[in-house]
Amino acid sequence: GQSLEQPSEVTAVEGAIVQINCTYQTSGFYGLSWYQQHDGGAPTFLSYNALDGLEETGRFSSFLSRSDSYGYLLLQELQMKDSASYFCAVRGATGANNLFFGTGTRLTVIP
Amino acid sequence: NAGVTQTPKFRVLKTGQSMTLLCAQDMNHEYMYWYRQDPGMGLRLIHYSVGEGTTAKGEVPDGYNVSRLKKQNFLLGLESAAPSQTSVYFCASSSWGNNQPQHFGDGTRLSIL
Repeated sequence: GQSLEQPSEVTAVEGAIVQINCTYQTSGFYGLSWYQQHDGGAPTFLSYNALDGLEETGRFSSFLSRSDSYGYLLLQELQMKDSASYFCAVRGATGANNLFFGTGTRLTVIP
Repeated sequence: NAGVTQTPKFRVLKTGQSMTLLCAQDMNHEYMYWYRQDPGMGLRLIHYSVGEGTTAKGEVPDGYNVSRLKKQNFLLGLESAAPSQTSVYFCASSSWGNNQPQHFGDGTRLSIL
């Protein structure tokens, strides 16, 4: 089976940098994904890591260490619109790109 | 380009009633998924489909049935609704290939009294 742990809440100041951690346990690892969800909205894909290291997409970066079963999402130059929930997810072993999601981290950006 | 469209957006049911949630995607994706999202529990996979005419169970399939008669549509049915099925339901789709991102619909908010 799979399990993921991430902090339930994080608060950060506008313009700052914030890191959201995710640790996982899974029988067979096929990649770690991150999704963003604003209140009342749909989850949207942010990033994906299959190999160790850092992936950068604009203000957002995602890091993976497979040996530590650990990853994080890094948000730079925080903006008020970044206030949302962020979910890490691992892919299941079925081959259908099934995702097993963490319970999410609610990020609040304050002025 | 509409992406993934879910209907209805809101619904209130009484215990024991049945209903079907419809998901349609216009991206020609092979894979489709149904999730439920409850407060503090993230998204949990109910059923999924890897292609027209095929379906499979996810983490929490009990009390739900699905059908995928056409590639672009994925239906989720509740035969006899229970209050425990009060949730927000999301449909998603992705293209074939390892770790393709999932594209989500806007959700259906379902309350069962």
